[in-house]
Amino acid sequence: LAKTTQPISMDSYEGQEVNITCSHNNIATNDYITWYQQFPSQGPRFIIQGYKTKVTNEVASLFIPADRKSSTLSLPRVSLSDTAVYYCLVGGLSGYALNFGKGTSLLVTP
Amino acid sequence: SAVISQKPSRDICQRGTSLTIQCQVDSQVTMMFWYRQQPGQSLTLIATANQGSEATYESGFVIDKFPISRPNLTFSTLTVSNMSPEDSSIYLCSVVGRVGNTIYFGEGSWLTVV
Repeated sequence: LAKTTQPISMDSYEGQEVNITCSHNNIATNDYITWYQQFPSQGPRFIIQGYKTKVTNEVASLFIPADRKSSTLSLPRVSLSDTAVYYCLVGGLSGYALNFGKGTSLLVTP
Repeated sequence: SAVISQKPSRDICQRGTSLTIQCQVDSQVTMMFWYRQQPGQSLTLIATANQGSEATYESGFVIDKFPISRPNLTFSTLTVSNMSPEDSSIYLCSVVGRVGNTIYFGEGSWLTVV
């Protein structure tokens, strides 16, 4: 499975756009990229998933360059409630990404 | 998405005892997994719960310590045996959704071993 590298932590003010980049240099052809959000005392929550180019849903956008060796999760206008740990996972078509990296701890302040 | 319920949500256990965690899914799913998340750490995969056969364990986890049952496509249990304080963690059940490659998680079971 492809190994992922993310910044350990990030800080932001309310209302700003936050971009979290994940490196996955050895991503395989069949691998998807999935991002999760985890609040303290809760299980991880699915945010967004993509294979290439750009994916957008009601909470985030995911940008994937042509070489797919990295991806960027974009959170528009963050609020205090977006303070959480964000995980990037890479996994194949046969199902699923199984191994979590260390994640990025995002702190949003007023 | 699948709705996953875990019981207990939280427990305090005595050293040397065993506790069984239940995971119930609201729909039939092929793949179910158990993860552990120690305080301040990321998630670590314990095993894949296979319906009708023995679970597949990851390196560092053994059946004697973490026996798993999967009697049908909607239910699984994880037992943490002969607990020590090092077993104090959140234990999370997860499933693969019917569409795409998305894994969904339960809310976890917080175990504190004293």
